[in-house]
Amino acid sequence: GQSLEQPSEVTAVEGAIVQINCTYQTSGFYGLSWYQQHDGGAPTFLSYNGLDGLEETGRFSSFLSRSDSYGYLLLQELQMKDSASYFCAVLLSSGSARQLTFGSGTQLTVLP
Amino acid sequence: DAGVIQSPRHEVTEMGQEVTLRCKPISGHDYLFWYRQTMMRGLELLIYFNNNVPIDDSGMPEDRFSAKMPNASFSTLKIQPSEPRDSAVYFCASRARGQGFSGNTIYFGEGSWLTVV
Repeated sequence: GQSLEQPSEVTAVEGAIVQINCTYQTSGFYGLSWYQQHDGGAPTFLSYNGLDGLEETGRFSSFLSRSDSYGYLLLQELQMKDSASYFCAVLLSSGSARQLTFGSGTQLTVLP
Repeated sequence: DAGVIQSPRHEVTEMGQEVTLRCKPISGHDYLFWYRQTMMRGLELLIYFNNNVPIDDSGMPEDRFSAKMPNASFSTLKIQPSEPRDSAVYFCASRARGQGFSGNTIYFGEGSWLTVV
């Protein structure tokens, strides 16, 4: 079977740095994505790691280690608007088809 | 670009009624996904299409659920008959073919909030 594990909740203060970890067990692993979802909204794409290492996009960075089946999302200079759920999602490949399977999400609360 | 468009945004229906959710993917995208989100089960992939053809429907919970994609710009997810446990947010998403960013990013619609009473 497939499984993804991430913490259910994280709390941090404005301006701080927070890291959300994700471990996975899958077959057909192709890459790791991160999505953000505000209450009542749609999941929106944040980042994708197809190769080992760090990807940086503004205040957000994402890391992947294929050998450890592990990744993380790093959020710097936290802002109140970053309060949301963050999902890691594995991109699975079967032949030419690819699909995303989501973790259960981490609820990030940013305090003033 | 208009993004993925779903309708209705909200629907309240009585148990036993038929529910039809609609989706228009982003123009040019050839993959379409239907997800369901609940507090208990999170985001679950129900079914996905490539070039209008269903590829994997193993996530469809029961025979009461069916999905079609008659053309590249329209898909439906139907529940008949509906039950209270079907209450959830149903998201449609689409993806472009290819490698790199475009091929590895899916774009979600705003969701259809279904309540079955």
